[in-house]
Amino acid sequence: GEQVEQRPPHLSVREGDSAFITCTYTDPNSYYFFWYKQEPGASLQLLMKVFSSTEINEGQGFTVLLNKKDKRLSLNLTAAHPGDSAAYFCAVSASSGQKLVFGQGTILKVYL
Amino acid sequence: EAAVTQSPRSKVAVTGGKVTLSCHQTNNHDYMYWYRQDTGHGLRLIHYSYVADSTEKGDIPDGYKASRPSQENFSLILELASLSQTAVYFCASGTGGSQDTQYFGPGTRLLVL
Repeated sequence: GEQVEQRPPHLSVREGDSAFITCTYTDPNSYYFFWYKQEPGASLQLLMKVFSSTEINEGQGFTVLLNKKDKRLSLNLTAAHPGDSAAYFCAVSASSGQKLVFGQGTILKVYL
Repeated sequence: EAAVTQSPRSKVAVTGGKVTLSCHQTNNHDYMYWYRQDTGHGLRLIHYSYVADSTEKGDIPDGYKASRPSQENFSLILELASLSQTAVYFCASGTGGSQDTQYFGPGTRLLVL
C-alpha cells in the first residue's frame, strides 16, 4: 500500500527565514495531497489541498510544490514567524479510495 | 463551520479494562474515521465507516472495535486495553472520495497504566 515518508522530523528556524518540509510517496496513483497544521494540544487543521495536476499552490505565507515525476510533495513556509510553530503533516489519498495516508510529521519551531 | 467533537478529552485506563471513546459530528457527513497518533508517527487509520450500522477496518484495527449507531456518532472500543494503546486518538468526518477534506475532532489523550 501507499507509504509516505516525511522529512525532517524536527526543524528549527529563525523568524523571517524559510522552512522547508518534504514528503515522498510511493503510489503513482495518488491523486490528492494535503497539508495539515497541528498546534500544540490542538487538532489538525487543513492548510492546503493540492490536486495532482497542479504543481504550485500558494497560500498565505507558504507555497506547496508537487513533483509527480519524483513523487514528492513539499511545503515551504516563507518568512516564518513564531505563530508558525506547530507540527505539520502531509497526507496523500489515492484516486481509488477515501483513505488518507499520513507522513510522520515535522515539528517546526520558529525562534526570535 | 465543520464540527467534530470527542469525549472524553482525556482518560486514564487500567490494563485489561474496557475503554470507549465517542465522536459526534454535526456536518451531515457520511464518512467517519478513527486515527491514533503516536510520538514520531503521523496519524494511522484504525477504523472507518461510510454508513450507519457498518464499519470497516483501517490499517491498524487489531485490538479495536468500532460502532456507528447513527450518522452523527462513531465510537471506538478497546475491549481489553493494553499499554501499547496509550496514544492520542482523533476522530474525523468527511464526505468520502479521494478529494475529500477530512475534518478532525480535538483528540482524546488516552493513558493506559
